[in-house]
Amino acid sequence: KNEVEQSPQNLTAQEGEFITINCSYSVGISALHWLQQHPGGGIVSLFMLSSGKKKHGRLIATINIQEKHSSLHITASHPRDSAVYICAVSDKLIFGTGTRLQVFP
Amino acid sequence: GAVVSQHPSWVICKSGTSVKIECRSLDFQATTMFWYRQFPKQSLMLMATSNEGSKATYEQGVEKDKFLINHASLTLSTLTVTSAHPEDSSFYICSARERGLRTQRRGTGELFFGEGSRLTVL
Repeated sequence: KNEVEQSPQNLTAQEGEFITINCSYSVGISALHWLQQHPGGGIVSLFMLSSGKKKHGRLIATINIQEKHSSLHITASHPRDSAVYICAVSDKLIFGTGTRLQVFP
Repeated sequence: GAVVSQHPSWVICKSGTSVKIECRSLDFQATTMFWYRQFPKQSLMLMATSNEGSKATYEQGVEKDKFLINHASLTLSTLTVTSAHPEDSSFYICSARERGLRTQRRGTGELFFGEGSRLTVL
C-alpha cells in the first residue's frame, strides 16, 4: 500500500462542474502539498497546508490531520484546468500517483 | 511569485556521456533544493535532497556516484548524470525551498518547482 493514495486516478468533467480530488496518507507529516502538472511536465505548487483550509481563486484545499485526509476542490471547472493533480506530503517528500483531470467544453 | 529556473529543458545525448542539469532560484535564496525523477505515466520520485554547502542526501536506490549533486550557492544546484545510459532517460525536476528562519525552524517552507528537464539517452 502506498503511503500517499489519491482518488480518483482519472476524472472527466464537463465545463462548469464542481470537482473533488482526494488524498489519504498513512505517515506523519509536517505539511501537505497540492501540485498541478501540465502535459509538458512543468509543475506548479497550488497549496501547502498544515491545517484547515486554503482558497485561491476557484481552488479550495482542505486537510483533516486527525483523519490523515486532504481534498482539493475546483469550482466552476474549465478546460484549462485539465492537468494531473498531485498530492505530496513532507518533510520527506512522498508523492501520490496523481489524478488526471480532463475538463471538456 | 517565486521562480525556479531549470536548464536545459530537454537534452539528447549519446550513451556514456555526462549531462549536467542546472536548477536556479531566481528571486529567493534556497537553502534546500530537491531533485526528482519521473518516468512516463509514473509519479515523481525524490532522488536526493541538496543542502547548500553540504553533501546531498540520497534516497535509497539512487546511486550517488552516478547522479552527482552540487549545491554550491544559495541559488544554484546542479545534477550531473554521469556515464548516461538509455535507462537513465527520464524527466528530471528540481524544487527549491525558500530560506527563512521561520520556515527553517518549522521545516515547512513552501516549495517552488522548476519546469523540468527531459533527458533522452541514445
